[in-house]
Amino acid sequence: GGIITQTPKFLIGQEGQKLTLKCQQNFNHDTMYWYRQDSGKGLRLIYYSITENDLQKGDLSEGYDASREKKSSFSLTVTSAQKNEMAVFLCASRDREGSDYTFGSGTRLLVI
Amino acid sequence: QQQVRQSSQSLTVWEGETAILNCSYENSAFDYFPWYQQFPGEGPALLIAIRSVSDKKEDGRFTIFFNKREKNLSLHIKDSQPGDSATYFCAASGRASGGNYKPTFGKGTSLVVHP
Repeated sequence: GGIITQTPKFLIGQEGQKLTLKCQQNFNHDTMYWYRQDSGKGLRLIYYSITENDLQKGDLSEGYDASREKKSSFSLTVTSAQKNEMAVFLCASRDREGSDYTFGSGTRLLVI
Repeated sequence: QQQVRQSSQSLTVWEGETAILNCSYENSAFDYFPWYQQFPGEGPALLIAIRSVSDKKEDGRFTIFFNKREKNLSLHIKDSQPGDSATYFCAASGRASGGNYKPTFGKGTSLVVHP
């Protein structure tokens, strides 16, 4: 079986800082996703990528950049962290249109 | 406009009862409805899913009942156990809607099962 690894598990940043979150999968899946999870707001799509070097904006892309330089990895950058921001960022992948997601365990962000 | 709506943010049941989690959707082009289960500190994991051609899908203690005409579905957890305490997300996607790469998630229902 495969695994999705997100690093770091916890991230504490300062207001205005640029922060990068990383995601690696060894399923050889084509499509990868970044979601933001806030309490009471469910999962909101930030960016996704259907193949290496492809990037597609989700509903919440403002304030974020993403990069898919290899099929196995997908990184997300918070371009300017907002004070008191607290959220979980979830990475997911799937192998073809219509199959189900596999999620990583998340990166928990706190901005002080 | 919320395309997938879960009617309860939280639900509490006693061990042994049937927990019923409700979900409704707006877009009639949705044709695939997975439910994900998330434990604290973990990512969501697929629990059970149904396609719109069916009205029921059962997997052990978990059953989805689907009503295409009313655009709603429910997840029934029979004989609830404390280990079922988690957040449950209803999701929807559809090839015809052009959104098959991007399932839409509900906000989740936090289930607590008391022993």
